[in-house]
Amino acid sequence: SAVISQKPSRDICQRGTSLTIQCQVDSQVTMMFWYRQQPGQSLTLIATANQGSEATYESGFVIDKFPISRPNLTFSTLTVSNLSPEDSSIYLCSVPGQGSNGEQFFGPGTRLTVL
Amino acid sequence: GENVEQHPSTLSVQEGDSAVIKCTYSDSASNYFPWYKQELGKRPQLIIDIRSNVGEKKDQRIAVTLNKTAKHFSLHITETQPEDSAVYFCAASIGSSASKIIFGSGTRLSIRP
Repeated sequence: SAVISQKPSRDICQRGTSLTIQCQVDSQVTMMFWYRQQPGQSLTLIATANQGSEATYESGFVIDKFPISRPNLTFSTLTVSNLSPEDSSIYLCSVPGQGSNGEQFFGPGTRLTVL
Repeated sequence: GENVEQHPSTLSVQEGDSAVIKCTYSDSASNYFPWYKQELGKRPQLIIDIRSNVGEKKDQRIAVTLNKTAKHFSLHITETQPEDSAVYFCAASIGSSASKIIFGSGTRLSIRP
């Protein structure tokens, strides 16, 4: 499976500010996914980051709040804008496996706390 | 929209006994069903998966069964050990593309010594 890293691993931010999270993969992948995991909850897909095109957002998530960049096939960023305490979560990126089976592998996550 | 329901939300079993976690899905086009294990403070790890053309798959102490007609799939862990304690998530692909998956709500499994 791919080696996936995220930066930062954790951060504490003030409300009203923004945090940009980076996801780096050691191999080229067509799609990268961004998830949110609220405390004690399951994983919710925020958007799919496609290289060379706009990200595709899931219902309930909008580009103004969660802008995404995908400059190349190994890197993506997710920005969480205009932070509020409700944004306190773990944010994870994931990438598909090498085959076309559908498996996904996750980065280590970024724990965000908003004060 | 698409939905995956998972039960139970918590499960406590005696070490050495078996554990079963059940999920149902709503999208009849789903054809890929992975299971993830998430230990405290760590990322979800894929432990086993099954595709819709197979009814059962086994890997050592873990097995997954799929009933496409009923839209049910289950995770079975036999001879449970303390290191099996974690949160387990089922998931199902959205549609037939298998590129996006939707997760169940999770099951917190505790193994009693």
